[in-house]
Amino acid sequence: GEDVEQSLFLSVREGDSSVINCTYTDSSSTYLYWYKQEPGAGLQLLTYIFSNMDMKQDQRLTVLLNKKDKHLSLRIADTQTGDSAIYFCARPRVGADGLTFGKGTHLIIQP
Amino acid sequence: EPEVTQTPSHQVTQMGQEVILRCVPISNHLYFYWYRQILGQKVEFLVSFYNNEISEKSEIFDDQFSVERPDGSNFTLKIRSTKLEDSAMYFCASSVSSPKSASSYEQYFGPGTRLTVT
Repeated sequence: GEDVEQSLFLSVREGDSSVINCTYTDSSSTYLYWYKQEPGAGLQLLTYIFSNMDMKQDQRLTVLLNKKDKHLSLRIADTQTGDSAIYFCARPRVGADGLTFGKGTHLIIQP
Repeated sequence: EPEVTQTPSHQVTQMGQEVILRCVPISNHLYFYWYRQILGQKVEFLVSFYNNEISEKSEIFDDQFSVERPDGSNFTLKIRSTKLEDSAMYFCASSVSSPKSASSYEQYFGPGTRLTVT
């Protein structure tokens, strides 16, 4: 199957790290993506990781990929109020065009 | 920074009416896509378009839907006779390469058009 699963909500305190998790079922993905959707806005490509990598860091963002467990995570260091959004994990559809998305994780920032 | 744009941002239509959603992909991109997101559900792939023809379509993309690139910049999604269940956010996206290629693949999305069918 092409399922991509995420937990629906994550609540963190401002300044703490946020870790958003994603699991997927198909192991043939070449790339895995994180998109951010702010209220009323479109899908912003945040970062992505190639399947031959275990980790990718980009400023406050760290992506970890565990291919054995088919688990992807996005860590946001020093979470700010501007990070409040829905974060979608996505992967290419198997042997096809387009992307398959998870349901998205609502990141809620507490002051 | 180049971006995908979509118009209108919100479209309200009556059941049975035709709607056309418009998109301007990033200018050097070759692959174009439409997705939809029903409220509270996943973003779902509808169709991909390359070299002036449909490359792939999902089971959602039935005969009521069509896509067109009428000129060198616009990419449109037409719903011929809207149904209540067509109410959703529709996203256009574009990419330089195909996800089937092994090279770096990034897909950029527009801000979406919220379609409300009454």
